[in-house]
Amino acid sequence: DQQVKQNSPSLSVQEGRISILNCDYTNSMFDYFLWYKKYPAEGPTFLISISSIKDKNEDGRFTVFLNKSAKHLSLHIVPSQPGDSAVYFCAASPRGNQFYFGTGTSLTVIP
Amino acid sequence: GAVVSQHPSWVICKSGTSVKIECRSLDFQATTMFWYRQFPKQSLMLMATSNEGSKATYEQGVEKDKFLINHASLTLSTLTVTSAHPEDSSFYICSTIPGQTYEQYFGPGTRLTVT
Repeated sequence: DQQVKQNSPSLSVQEGRISILNCDYTNSMFDYFLWYKKYPAEGPTFLISISSIKDKNEDGRFTVFLNKSAKHLSLHIVPSQPGDSAVYFCAASPRGNQFYFGTGTSLTVIP
Repeated sequence: GAVVSQHPSWVICKSGTSVKIECRSLDFQATTMFWYRQFPKQSLMLMATSNEGSKATYEQGVEKDKFLINHASLTLSTLTVTSAHPEDSSFYICSTIPGQTYEQYFGPGTRLTVT
């Protein structure tokens, strides 16, 4: 049973525009959410996180939004750059005990 | 950020042999390490949580006798795939949480190909 879902397997965006990656979860016990970026044949790299007490967290070009009532989070990248092209995973955790990952969204930023 | 290394980065082995994968934390002590596997175009699946000095905790459906985990020191955890079969071919990644937050730092991964 997939508790964290990323329904868009791929996304293409023009350079300079906004990239919006979406993630849905089902477990109301999740209280911490993270986004990771992954290149082929490499381990994921941490990008940004948010706890359930917040609804927004911003770090440079990356902003994560959390809608607890909808059990939905999104990652906004603006402006998008070609180097942002990678697979993005969202992950959720109940108090850091376990981490559940979505299936990933492959982002392509077109120069 | 924290550095986690894995060795080897790619290993090819024959069916029936065993393969050991090492995961090291290079600049911090890791009491807990996580082991994941990833199939192509699929999510990262947690296999087990490795605790220094005690037995690993395996996720449901993961055979502990097949995937042996040893966390003998605060900087090293090993995953041994015993009697490997072609269906064990996958990308294995370790991670740890070095600080007080829940931010995991991942190793670069090990690609296992069983022929």
